[in-house]
Amino acid sequence: DQQVKQNSPSLSVQEGRISILNCDYTNSMFDYFLWYKKYPAEGPTFLISISSIKDKNEDGRFTVFLNKSAKHLSLHIVPSQPGDSAVYFCANAGGTSYGKLTFGQGTILTVHP
Amino acid sequence: DAGVIQSPRHEVTEMGQEVTLRCKPISGHDYLFWYRQTMMRGLELLIYFNNNVPIDDSGMPEDRFSAKMPNASFSTLKIQPSEPRDSAVYFCASSPWGSYNEQFFGPGTRLTVL
Repeated sequence: DQQVKQNSPSLSVQEGRISILNCDYTNSMFDYFLWYKKYPAEGPTFLISISSIKDKNEDGRFTVFLNKSAKHLSLHIVPSQPGDSAVYFCANAGGTSYGKLTFGQGTILTVHP
Repeated sequence: DAGVIQSPRHEVTEMGQEVTLRCKPISGHDYLFWYRQTMMRGLELLIYFNNNVPIDDSGMPEDRFSAKMPNASFSTLKIQPSEPRDSAVYFCASSPWGSYNEQFFGPGTRLTVL
């Protein structure tokens, strides 16, 4: 079974600085990870993903890093903007059921102007 | 496209009543997912369908919960009878074939069972 943990419930960052959100997982067999962003009163939206054949994936201001030996991934947002303020969920996909995502508890990011 | 549509957006009911949540996925998407979000358990998958067929319902908490997908454009999640611990936000999501992990979520239904 897979567990995905986001140990920081919240993060506060100044506009223009880097935001780093962290996620740990337990099962190395499940090799595809995603980040979702969620605004209040809306459903989560897909942000970026990474598979275990890569260490890094970039999309504009968003970069995800995967450290397989530490079973750890992180999402970097550079530069951070007030509109990035949201809840960020780390999720893992894998195993025998395609599409079966396991989500972390989420980290509330607040970017101050 | 209008995105995934869920109704109602809010539902308040009394313990013991039947509750039906509805979802219209994005047209052309092959996968449909039902999730529940609570403070205690976070966001958890209840059941998902592929081409209207239930594939994995291992997340459905009890027999009081049932889900159907009679056609490609409609799904329901029913709770009968409802209990206060069922209070949560229920999300429906859909995804196209080949991108089943990159799911498009609806706005959710906030259910309160008194």
